[in-house]
Amino acid sequence: DADVTQTPRNRITKTGKRIMLECSQTKGHDRMYWYRQDPGLGLRLIYYSFDVKDINKGEISDGYSVSRQAQAKFSLSLESAIPNQTALYFCATSESGTESNQPQHFGDGTRLSIL
Amino acid sequence: KQEVTQIPAALSVPEGENLVLNCSFTDSAIYNLQWFRQDPGKGLTSLLLIQSSQREQTSGRLNASLDKSSGRSTLYIAASQPGDSATYLCAVTGTASKLTFGTGTRLQVTL
Repeated sequence: DADVTQTPRNRITKTGKRIMLECSQTKGHDRMYWYRQDPGLGLRLIYYSFDVKDINKGEISDGYSVSRQAQAKFSLSLESAIPNQTALYFCATSESGTESNQPQHFGDGTRLSIL
Repeated sequence: KQEVTQIPAALSVPEGENLVLNCSFTDSAIYNLQWFRQDPGKGLTSLLLIQSSQREQTSGRLNASLDKSSGRSTLYIAASQPGDSATYLCAVTGTASKLTFGTGTRLQVTL
């Protein structure tokens, strides 16, 4: 089983709908992240969480919200989806500790299309 | 604001050739630099992590170097194989463990 699992893997929906993307991990890491990937723009950070009670905005948080339900679960919501939120979304985790040697581990992504 | 650039955007080489991928970043205040591999429809696989105090890391046929003062990193792939075909991303870690990514180099190794 994958260490970082994202569901669903693919989703097509309509403008205005509320969408939730889920991420769960079995690595026991405290830190979790949500990114989106767009062609030509690379990955950009949406939100991150260092523990269950910690939520922080990233570079592009407008139009998104998150919930850290447990150490192992971190959900991303689009309250009212719009077409320019069509992208590939990634969840990642990392250990706490010395930042210089903590790699991030990524899930396989959720491909989201908003019509 | 940190910016990460990868050159070239795409590269095609014949099997067996050695190759170098380049990554540059604008702010040298980083904790580490990571190289990732991304296959189509898949997530990112971490290949190498170089801490800011290190100059290079090696894993098998891969060697990554870091020159923090000049804001540059290279990923050297020896004896390339068709299975190395993928997109290679570099990312630097800044404060609060936030990664800033480059846009990647798409590598194709031909038979």
